[in-house]
Amino acid sequence: QKEVEQNSGPLSVPEGAIASLNCTYSDRVSQSFFWYRQYSGKSPELIMSIYSNGDKEDGRFTAQLNKASQYVSLLIRDSQPSDSATYLCAVKYAGGTSYGKLTFGQGTILTVHP
Amino acid sequence: GAGVSQSPRYKVAKRGQDVALRCDPISGHVSLFWYQQALGQGPEFLTYFQNEAQLDKSGLPSDRFFAERPEGSVSTLKIQRTQQEDSAVYLCASSLRDSQTDTQYFGPGTRLTVL
Repeated sequence: QKEVEQNSGPLSVPEGAIASLNCTYSDRVSQSFFWYRQYSGKSPELIMSIYSNGDKEDGRFTAQLNKASQYVSLLIRDSQPSDSATYLCAVKYAGGTSYGKLTFGQGTILTVHP
Repeated sequence: GAGVSQSPRYKVAKRGQDVALRCDPISGHVSLFWYQQALGQGPEFLTYFQNEAQLDKSGLPSDRFFAERPEGSVSTLKIQRTQQEDSAVYLCASSLRDSQTDTQYFGPGTRLTVL
């Protein structure tokens, strides 16, 4: 079992809808959680980070973290065709020799259709 | 300011050739990471530098992979005797430090194809 799991999709939503992306992670000392967006042929770009339980909102994006359930999600409100990309969930595990490296899920492909 | 840059952007190698991939991190960033991204997968950690010290190389898949950052800025990832399974995008990322909250900024990647 991989340490960080995502549904690979593709997830298809109509323009203007809410897209919900989910991620589960293994039970280690995990401290920080990140959502990166990656357009085809491009490098990952950070869109949200979350460090404590609850919700964090930034514009049309909301990240939700539930450490008891080992679950982190990303909601995209009013989805636009320009949001079509692969969304990568990443976890930083603390302690030992982790040194801040990111452990990524395989990514969820999101398609927003007009 | 300038972001992370990588060169070359594309590299085609014949099996058995050696390749060298370069990363220029953001100026002043102490931490530098290399990741390998296979098609349809998320990036996987290869190695980490804090300044010139390579503190973690646990992700390097074999002893054919070697990385260095001799002056604490530019880094080179070298792959000897390339194999077809080495075909992937190699991403470099840098961050100011390696704390839990530091953001990693990624370069555009080098797409390596081994024939």
